Amino acid sequence: AQSVTQLGSHVSVSEGALVLLRCNYSSSVPPYLFWYVQYPNQGLQLLLKYTSAATLVKGINGFEAEFKKSETSFHLTKPSAHMSDAAEYFCAVSGGGATNKLIFGTGTLLAVQP
Amino acid sequence: DAGVTQSPTHLIKTRGQQVTLRCSPKSGHDTVSWYQQALGQGPQFIFQYYEEEERQRGNFPDRFSGHQFPNYSSELNVNALLLGDSALYLCASSLDQLGAGRNYEQYFGPGTRLTVT
Repeated sequence: AQSVTQLGSHVSVSEGALVLLRCNYSSSVPPYLFWYVQYPNQGLQLLLKYTSAATLVKGINGFEAEFKKSETSFHLTKPSAHMSDAAEYFCAVSGGGATNKLIFGTGTLLAVQP
Repeated sequence: DAGVTQSPTHLIKTRGQQVTLRCSPKSGHDTVSWYQQALGQGPQFIFQYYEEEERQRGNFPDRFSGHQFPNYSSELNVNALLLGDSALYLCASSLDQLGAGRNYEQYFGPGTRLTVT
């Protein structure tokens, strides 16, 4: 079975500060890992994905994440937060196979203070 | 290039009623998945349709059913609505990857907000 755990349901940072959103996964097969962002009253937008290539993955809007197998982690970072980054962020895992269904964490709401 | 579209945007129903939600996949995609996102929660997988058949199902009762049409669009039907069915219903489309490399990128629509009173 697969699962993801997002540590911290709410994270608040100052504009210009480092953003770090934590995600740990559990998977019995080599995982594919994803970070999605959801703005209020909108669907999900893919930020980045790990599909067993490079362990450091760069995404859109300056975000990146590093796959660490030894720590079963896939934390999302951004060097300098912008006000526009305020949103909910979801980590998800997929085991591949025919259906590629996504299993999501409970989300982390990021607030950016001026 | 149109992305994933869903209709309606919002819907209010009464307990016991039935509802149909619709989804058109991104151009070139042939697979549609449905997710339920309750307030304050992450999306949960309902089922996936490929070649007009349900390929996999999550932990949802039979009240939830679906259909995929030859043009790859899809419907989600929920019968005998319960208050707990109130949620944002998300449709995601992707291109089936069997034999075509492993990409597994799913594109999500804006969702349908269902309120059951």
